[in-house]
Amino acid sequence: DGGITQSPKYLFRKEGQNVTLSCEQNLNHDAMYWYRQDPGQGLRLIYYSQIVNDFQKGDIAEGYSVSREKKESFPLTVTSAQKNPTAFYLCASSIGTASPAFFGQGTRLTVV
Amino acid sequence: SQQGEEDPQALSIQEGENATMNCSYKTSINNLQWYRQNSGRGLVHLILIRSNEREKHSGRLRVTLDTSKKSSSLLITASRAADTASYFCATDAGGYQKVTFGTGTKLQVIP
Repeated sequence: DGGITQSPKYLFRKEGQNVTLSCEQNLNHDAMYWYRQDPGQGLRLIYYSQIVNDFQKGDIAEGYSVSREKKESFPLTVTSAQKNPTAFYLCASSIGTASPAFFGQGTRLTVV
Repeated sequence: SQQGEEDPQALSIQEGENATMNCSYKTSINNLQWYRQNSGRGLVHLILIRSNEREKHSGRLRVTLDTSKKSSSLLITASRAADTASYFCATDAGGYQKVTFGTGTKLQVIP
């Protein structure tokens, strides 16, 4: 089955710790994205990548980092510098901006 | 920045009725997309309408786009309980970081 997989589904982190969220796709898409969703709000773009070994900051990149060493994978690290990391994180991929985006099922991160 | 704004924020209807939700945006766009999100899940793409199109259909979905008013509407006909979800519009103003999502309309369809 082609699709995009995020893991884990739920993640708990202690304050001051870094944590990495996984995102893998087998759709052969060049573009991948990370979004953050807070309750009752839309999606805000954290980082995006148009191609392997290249990525760009979105609207709310502070406190986050990414890598794109393989076409299939786009992991997101939430660092201790992110002041309010508790949120629902969504990964997506697409052929390009004029094409539909396919989303993973999300990772709910809670800082305890 | 969130360009799209959906209206209403919440909508509750009886099964079998039609549901209409609207999206307004501020700047020129290349295309507009509608997505559905079930509670606690990822988004699912529903339909994409390009800036030179005025109306598009997909099954029970009908989307219109009025670029002069900078607005779009999503109509779901003969709604079902399974249509209960949040619906988001996403506007593409060009470029990978120019796809912005609205705050969504939460639809409840009562059986």
